[in-house]
Amino acid sequence: DIQMTQSPSSLSASVGDRVTITCQASQDINNYLHWYQQKPGKVPKLLIYDASNLETGVPSRFSGSGSGTDFTFTISSLQPEDIATYYCQQYDNVFGPGTKVEIK
Amino acid sequence: QVQLVQSGAEVKKPGASVKVSCKASGYTFSNYAMHWVRQAPGQRLEWMGWIKADNGNTKTSQKFQGRVTFTRDTSASTVYMEMRSLGSEDTAVYYCARVGGYTYGFSTWGQGTLVTVSS
Repeated sequence: DIQMTQSPSSLSASVGDRVTITCQASQDINNYLHWYQQKPGKVPKLLIYDASNLETGVPSRFSGSGSGTDFTFTISSLQPEDIATYYCQQYDNVFGPGTKVEIK
Repeated sequence: QVQLVQSGAEVKKPGASVKVSCKASGYTFSNYAMHWVRQAPGQRLEWMGWIKADNGNTKTSQKFQGRVTFTRDTSASTVYMEMRSLGSEDTAVYYCARVGGYTYGFSTWGQGTLVTVSS
């Protein structure tokens, strides 16, 4: 089974900061990596699909990159409404452990 | 628009079974598989498996094999997830989710069904 590691597990940043989350697969998964946002008590929301494609309606401050085993998710300018837990998911449907993003 | 509507919250005793439904609308039901994902309190998302709506074929995560069954009713555009031998560790929100037509990412999710297992 492909394992996913995600880091950091949590972070605290100021409004306007650039935030970066990484996800690493235990073997090559090409670009089959997706990123989700889950706000407390809410349903997960797809933000980035296939490593780097922005889902329709998602603000452009969110982006993703990577291929193979190493992937990065970036919020270019953190906003208060971005407080959430972010998960990566690989093509075999395994989710990463999540990164909780808070405002400093 | 694509919409998934799940059945309401359930409270079950240990050892019981639960069946959660997910009714789809806004697209051709038989064209897509439906996935099930659960989330225990404070825990990560956990993929459980999928069912193909056209032929009923299923794939179940190894963790749930033998204890979870996925079925569908094409006439009602509804899929079901049944879990047996419930334990307290099965207390979680259960989601159905569908991939987008352009990606295997889960672009549409049901609202979630809270299943509480308690004596």
